[in-house]
Amino acid sequence: DVKVTQSSRYLVKRTGEKVFLECVQDMDHENMFWYRQDPGLGLRLIYFSYDVKMKEKGDIPEGYSVSREKKERFSLILESASTNQTSMYLCASSFGGGVGLSGGLDSHAYGYTFGSGTRLTVV
Amino acid sequence: QKEVEQNSGPLSVPEGAIASLNCTYSDRGSQSFFWYRQYSGKSPELIMFIYSNGDKEDGRFTAQLNKASQYVSLLIRDSQPSDSATYLCAVNWGYNFNKFYFGSGTKLNVKP
Repeated sequence: DVKVTQSSRYLVKRTGEKVFLECVQDMDHENMFWYRQDPGLGLRLIYFSYDVKMKEKGDIPEGYSVSREKKERFSLILESASTNQTSMYLCASSFGGGVGLSGGLDSHAYGYTFGSGTRLTVV
Repeated sequence: QKEVEQNSGPLSVPEGAIASLNCTYSDRGSQSFFWYRQYSGKSPELIMFIYSNGDKEDGRFTAQLNKASQYVSLLIRDSQPSDSATYLCAVNWGYNFNKFYFGSGTKLNVKP
């Protein structure tokens, strides 16, 4: 069974700590994503990566950084945790190369597989 | 501005009824549309995909797409209490299928 694994289900950290959230996928996917999910705000994209060592900012990158040294692993780093970063963090992955397809016929392959999430509380 | 809009709900339906979940999007160039289901405390899981106008059926689920109206919907027939979840609509932009934009989801409650 294909999997996206997030290293921790629950984390409690102190304000100012540097926090690492790890995500590993075993599907040989090119694309990996970090989202946070908050009540009433839905899924908000923090960062994504199309390839090893490549990263692009999402909608809310402030206070976060990422690292992708290997294809299967995508790490989210909170440089100095703050209480407003208390949230559910979701990692996702998908196949890459989906640009310029002739319509949506093949786009079913680009659906996301999500990890089980990390609920981070910053106190 | 890329927008995917969903009514947050909750949408309450009795067991056995049809649940209708709606999603609108802002970009006429969108090509591909996914529906995800998210149970409380769990992560989203992909349940349906549609890319051409009309209906697509998969078991009790039917996805409907109208690109002219920029509207996609999910119908759940014979709703069961186990269908109670939040349903997320996801839309790509143009011919880039690497990244999808999510609506904030509609919470569905199916009452026994």
